[in-house]
Amino acid sequence: SQQGEEDPQALSIQEGENATMNCSYKTSINNLQWYRQNSGRGLVHLILIRSNEREKHSGRLRVTLDTSKKSSSLLITASRAADTASYFCATDAGGGSNYKLTFGKGTLLTVNP
Amino acid sequence: SAVISQKPSRDICQRGTSLTIQCQVDSQVTMMFWYRQQPGQSLTLIATANQGSEATYESGFVIDKFPISRPNLTFSTLTVSNMSPEDSSIYLCSVGGRTYNEQFFGPGTRLTVL
Repeated sequence: SQQGEEDPQALSIQEGENATMNCSYKTSINNLQWYRQNSGRGLVHLILIRSNEREKHSGRLRVTLDTSKKSSSLLITASRAADTASYFCATDAGGGSNYKLTFGKGTLLTVNP
Repeated sequence: SAVISQKPSRDICQRGTSLTIQCQVDSQVTMMFWYRQQPGQSLTLIATANQGSEATYESGFVIDKFPISRPNLTFSTLTVSNMSPEDSSIYLCSVGGRTYNEQFFGPGTRLTVL
């Protein structure tokens, strides 16, 4: 069953604005990751945050994790048209199955020039 | 990071036929993963393929429908057997990273079954 649920399902913004996407999950996790997919192609790994971390930055990306609420958010600052893509969160449970990822449904982000 | 290629990139197939998708990695990896992404949906793990052992399938996926080969540490194939239109999806392979659990994905194979 799907672990993550992204919110919103679709987001349309103007270039230069910030985009915030949220992800909720149901069971305990070891790590949470965010991926980007352009036009139904392969996924690109963006950032990983461990369950004992609360916030992480990478360039224009900021990820937060609230394990008490079982939720995460991805913030893209100063968005560009090239950021247009689908964004997925993925969780793993750690332990013996720590490589098995469960993906959320994704948020389709459109950045208008 | 690993560089992963898949063949074919896309195909249109007739109902009842089978298609074998190849996944090639530029480095030796222990585990390879096969995912399915149905139209407009997220990714669902089909199976985990370890070299030298049988693939481990997730609930809802069986070996007769999706046989997998893993002949060496850089290559794997996934066959979609006896296809029906419901098998129309993007099929992606991935490998684990050297640190933590990030995965690197191939570009995907877009399959359309008529």
